Amino acid sequence: AQTVTQSQPEMSVQEAETVTLSCTYDTSESDYYLFWYKQPPSRQMILVIRQEAYKQQNATENRFSVNFQKAAKSFSLKISDSQLGDAAMYFCAYKRDDMRFGAGTRLTVKP
Amino acid sequence: DTEVTQTPKHLVMGMTNKKSLKCEQHMGHRAMYWYKQKAKKPPELMFVYSYEKLSINESVPSRFSPECPNSSLLNLHLHALQPEDSALYLCASSPRQTNTEAFFGQGTRLTVV
Repeated sequence: AQTVTQSQPEMSVQEAETVTLSCTYDTSESDYYLFWYKQPPSRQMILVIRQEAYKQQNATENRFSVNFQKAAKSFSLKISDSQLGDAAMYFCAYKRDDMRFGAGTRLTVKP
Repeated sequence: DTEVTQTPKHLVMGMTNKKSLKCEQHMGHRAMYWYKQKAKKPPELMFVYSYEKLSINESVPSRFSPECPNSSLLNLHLHALQPEDSALYLCASSPRQTNTEAFFGQGTRLTVV
């Protein structure tokens, strides 16, 4: 079974600074998707960024970028120029036939 | 229309009640999912429907009964629930089951009293 591990239960960053959230996963498949979702207190799951495993180029969405290391099964999220609105729970997710989530990292942004 | 709509947003039910949660999408997606999320925990997969057929059932108790009457609609029928079933129930859909992103609804916050 696929497992997703987020080893940082909580992270804190100063506004305008950069923070990196870590994620590792375990799978025997070669074709799959990886995602970072953001869940603010409203509980809505918001897609932040996605990465197709067959693409070597790291995905980027504005201030959000990933470092995808397929051989190491690592998928970290970098948030640049952090904003107060980035404060939320962040879930790393693996999807092939179904979506599996890591335990989450709660990000606090300090003004 | 790029939304997954869940109703109701909040539900309080007694342990002897029967209620249903509804999820709707009009994006032409052929895979739909139910997740259960307890406070401060990640979503846990309950059921997956692919082309209106149950594809995955994660050993969910029979007091939860899913139904997919058509490609746009997914229901979760609830009967004889326990207080520990109180949680946020999230519905999601994706173009197909394998290797595509999932779009989530806003969830139904269920309280069992």
